[in-house]
Amino acid sequence: DAMVIQNPRYQVTQFGKPVTLSCSQTLNHNVMYWYQQKSSQAPKLLFHYYDKDFNNEADTPDNFQSRRPNTSFCFLDIRSPGLGDAAMYLCATSRDGPGRNEQFFGPGTRLTVL
Amino acid sequence: SQQGEEDPQALSIQEGENATMNCSYKTSINNLQWYRQNSGRGLVHLILIRSNEREKHSGRLRVTLDTSKKSSSLLITASRAADTASYFCATDITGANSKLTFGKGITLSVRP
Repeated sequence: DAMVIQNPRYQVTQFGKPVTLSCSQTLNHNVMYWYQQKSSQAPKLLFHYYDKDFNNEADTPDNFQSRRPNTSFCFLDIRSPGLGDAAMYLCATSRDGPGRNEQFFGPGTRLTVL
Repeated sequence: SQQGEEDPQALSIQEGENATMNCSYKTSINNLQWYRQNSGRGLVHLILIRSNEREKHSGRLRVTLDTSKKSSSLLITASRAADTASYFCATDITGANSKLTFGKGITLSVRP
């Protein structure tokens, strides 16, 4: 089945230790997104790729970066995680135009910062 | 403040009853989408309704959109315990920088 896969499902890191979360998709969608969701809050868009074009949200901290080496894979790098970065990180894809179509989400990676 | 705000924040009903959830937004939209999220999981798309549509159905789900009131409702008929989840509305705002903006969600509990 076509899907969005996130690894790992749970990630524990230490304060200040860089961490990378990965996302892959078999849907061949043009757009890939990274959202941050804290407990009982709305998912917050960090950035998205439309093909190779990177689009950063204005309020996304510089501590968060992303790479999309090919259509299928997208990575979220947190350079120096702080306690406030503990959250669920959701990867999503859409066929086209951010906002224009339904988005397909992965199961999420729960990040704990010690 | 949120673009999309759901109401109520939490809803508890008996299995078999209908559940109605509301979403209000502030600015003009291209479309409005409803998503479901089971505890600790990713979001699942339910329905997309465009600004020129007034009502859509999918199985036991019915979504309405009133652009004059800037509001939408999601009705789940004959609810089941498996419908227990958080439900989010998300809007694609008209204008530049198209993206989905999510509300804080509604927690629905369906008691067996």
